[in-house]
Amino acid sequence: GESVGLHLPTLSVQEGDNSIINCAYSNSASDYFIWYKQESGKGPQFIIDIRSNMDKRQGQRVTVLLNKTVKHLSLQIAATQPGDSAVYFCAARGGYNKLIFGAGTRLAVHP
Amino acid sequence: DTGVSQNPRHKITKRGQNVTFRCDPISEHNRLYWYRQTLGQGPEFLTYFQNEAQLEKSRLLSDRFSAERPKGSFSTLEIQRTEQGDSAMYLCASSSPIMGGQETQYFGPGTRLLVL
Repeated sequence: GESVGLHLPTLSVQEGDNSIINCAYSNSASDYFIWYKQESGKGPQFIIDIRSNMDKRQGQRVTVLLNKTVKHLSLQIAATQPGDSAVYFCAARGGYNKLIFGAGTRLAVHP
Repeated sequence: DTGVSQNPRHKITKRGQNVTFRCDPISEHNRLYWYRQTLGQGPEFLTYFQNEAQLEKSRLLSDRFSAERPKGSFSTLEIQRTEQGDSAMYLCASSSPIMGGQETQYFGPGTRLLVL
């Protein structure tokens, strides 16, 4: 079946450093990918998305890279701030638009 | 605040009781999804509505679970004869199809269910 996995369950960074969170997916037919941020007790919050016909997309302080050859995507956060501390999920779109999520990476930002 | 609301935010119930959760999607969104999230895991898809039609149900949705979206607006998720394994966060999301295929699902805050 389809699966999405993250490479590291926890990532610790210093405030001001850049963060890179990685994700792998199994279904080469997936055409759309989304990164969500989830803070404790809240629902997932949309960060950035990318279609499979792109390999890079930039937002405010965030960049998503997609490598379809190895079925890998990453989320880069520039100048990480304490408010970025949360669990980050990548998700791939499956049939009927359902999202298939990985297990998440917890980002801890230290001052 | 994404505009998707869920009620109640928390629910504690005893095993064997029935519970019902409500989701109000973003008003112009015709697609609505339910997901379940257990501690330390990503959300898992449960079911999907387009307007009032329930188009897909996951194998996770046992016979004790039923979802409705009677007028194509709000949705309810009912769990009958709750079991301790039903304890989880139940998330609702909504979206609307757009040209280009970048259809973002926006999530509500979730309903956290604890079955004692």
